[in-house]
Amino acid sequence: AQKITQTQPGMFVQEKEAVTLDCTYDTSDQSYGLFWYKQPSSGEMIFLIYQGSYDEQNATEGRYSLNFQKARKSANLVISASQLGDSAMYFCAMRARGAGSYQLTFGKGTKLSVIP
Amino acid sequence: DTAVSQTPKYLVTQMGNDKSIKCEQNLGHDTMYWYKQDSKKFLKIMFSYNNKELIINETVPNRFSPKSPDKAHLNLHINSLELGDSAVYFCASTRVRGGREGQDETQYFGPGTRLLVL
Repeated sequence: AQKITQTQPGMFVQEKEAVTLDCTYDTSDQSYGLFWYKQPSSGEMIFLIYQGSYDEQNATEGRYSLNFQKARKSANLVISASQLGDSAMYFCAMRARGAGSYQLTFGKGTKLSVIP
Repeated sequence: DTAVSQTPKYLVTQMGNDKSIKCEQNLGHDTMYWYKQDSKKFLKIMFSYNNKELIINETVPNRFSPKSPDKAHLNLHINSLELGDSAVYFCASTRVRGGREGQDETQYFGPGTRLLVL
């Protein structure tokens, strides 16, 4: 069974500073994908970044980067130069191969608050 | 251009009623999902539907039934609503490819339907 652990229920960061949101995962699959989603107070789920288990380089998307450490089974999200609009819930997820479908298993989320 | 849309956005109803939530995607994806987000923000898969193959999370009560009239739509029908069904329901879609993973397998979510059962 797949499991995602986000140990930080809440985080604070000063505007313009960088912040790291932790995510560890557990799977017996050799091939898997890791995702980060952002959920602002308006409620929608916004895809941020993806890392494949075979990718040798860490994924980057603008101010978002994923610090992927396969041996440690961690996939931390780094947000550089935080902005007020980054205040939101952040979910780490893993693609599980369940009986032919590609379900996502989610962590419990981290609430990020950016302080002006 | 909304990629994944859901209606209604808000749904308030009485216990015991039957209701449906509609989902449509215009991304040409072949797999669609329903997720439930509880009051603690935890997201859990309910169903996935791919090429007429339905995969059901065993913890979902049989009062919940997905219905897919075509590849672009996956509706969620709920019978005999209970107080505990109050949650946010998200539809999502993806284009699944076999073999190695790829970013194409990213799931794109609808805006969510906030269901409140009184």
